[in-house]
This record gives sequence, C-alpha cells and structure tokens, in this order.
Amino acid sequence: QTVVTQEPSFSVSPGGTVTLTCGLSSGSVSTSYYLSWYQQTPGQAPRTLIYNTNTRSSGVPDRFSGSILGNKAALTITGAQADDESDYYCVLYMSSGIWVFGGGTKLTVL
Amino acid sequence: EVQLVESGGGLVQPGGSLRLSCAASGFTFNIYWMHWVRQAPGKGLVWVSRLNSDGSGSSYADSVKGRFTISRDNAKNTLFLQMNSLRAEDTAVYYCARAGRAYYMDVWGKGTTVTVSS
Repeated sequence: QTVVTQEPSFSVSPGGTVTLTCGLSSGSVSTSYYLSWYQQTPGQAPRTLIYNTNTRSSGVPDRFSGSILGNKAALTITGAQADDESDYYCVLYMSSGIWVFGGGTKLTVL
Repeated sequence: EVQLVESGGGLVQPGGSLRLSCAASGFTFNIYWMHWVRQAPGKGLVWVSRLNSDGSGSSYADSVKGRFTISRDNAKNTLFLQMNSLRAEDTAVYYCARAGRAYYMDVWGKGTTVTVSS
C-alpha cells in the first residue's frame, strides 16, 4: 500500500522561508503523479494552492511555490505570514486511478 | 459564483446507511469529474471516491470499496455518495470537490458531518 509522507510539523519565523516536503514510502515523487498541495485552517474547507507539481491555483500569491527536490515534492513558502499558519496537505494521483493524501504538515508561524 | 454545498450528514448507527448530496452551482457541472474527500475528527484529509463527468467511470479508496457508491444527476447538478454498512471509522466531515483538469481538486464545498455511533 502506498504511503505518502509529510513532516508532521514545522515552524517558521515571520518573514522567513520554509520548505515542506511530500514523499513516497517507496520510490520517488515525479511529475507523473500530478501532485497538488492544499492549505487548511481548523474548521475550514481545504484551499487549493498548487497543482501539477508547480502551478499556482488562481488567486494564490507567488510566495507559494511547488517543485521537485530530489526524490520528493516540495512546497516552499517565502516571506511567511501569520495567516500562513495552517495544515498543509499534498495529494498524489496514482496510475491505478486513485488519489492518496499525505498525512499533512502543521505549520506554525512564530 | 462557483459553489458546492454538501448535505445529508447526520448520526447513524453502525451498520446503517446514509446518502450524502452535493449541490453544484455556478459552473457547467456535467463536464467535470467530481470527488468525495473525508476528514475524521482531528485527522488528515483522505480521498474517498471520484466519478467522471457522465457517471460512467468511478474509483474508490480501498477502505470504502464495496460499501460506498458515488453517483450523479447531471440534470440536477448534484453529486451523491451512498454509504452502506457504516462503521465507526467512517465518522468524518465529508467534502465534495470539483476535479481540475490536471488530476487535482480545484473547488471545495464546506463539508457535511457524518457520525457513526450507537
């Protein structure tokens, strides 16, 4: 069974840069997984940030960027702001026709 | 305005059934694939199911396969999730989401809560 891995938690200082990663329990993440990233604050629906590994969704500021770093996908936030404090999820599309979410990363801005 | 509104959640006993609905508006519903995603209390997002635009093709997470059925009524712009043989571990907020062209979820509803408990 495919497991998508994310850091459980991360912290960043206001104005700082943070890179969250999304990997596979076995193998490497590549663009063929059509990876996407979502932001969720408690009690709210998810918000789409990035799709197709590195394309920002409409209205998402350019301080959010997606990439492949080594064998993982990465979400980089530059100039972190207080309202970036959220949970971040990646999801991969599998060739079997299913999607698998990572466990999410809780980002603290302090 | 593009909008998805889920309904049909509630309290149900283990082994029971529930049918969720997702009303779509503000876009041409019948050309989009649609997803259901759930989130158990205090836990992460979990993909549940996906249905293609004309309802002819679907896929499911292993955890719900054989118990849940996704369907749609394009004339009524509505997506459904029929949930049977419900278990305590199905307790979650259920979100419907529109599928973007590049295999992602681009629009989300606010969710409906399902609680499975005796």
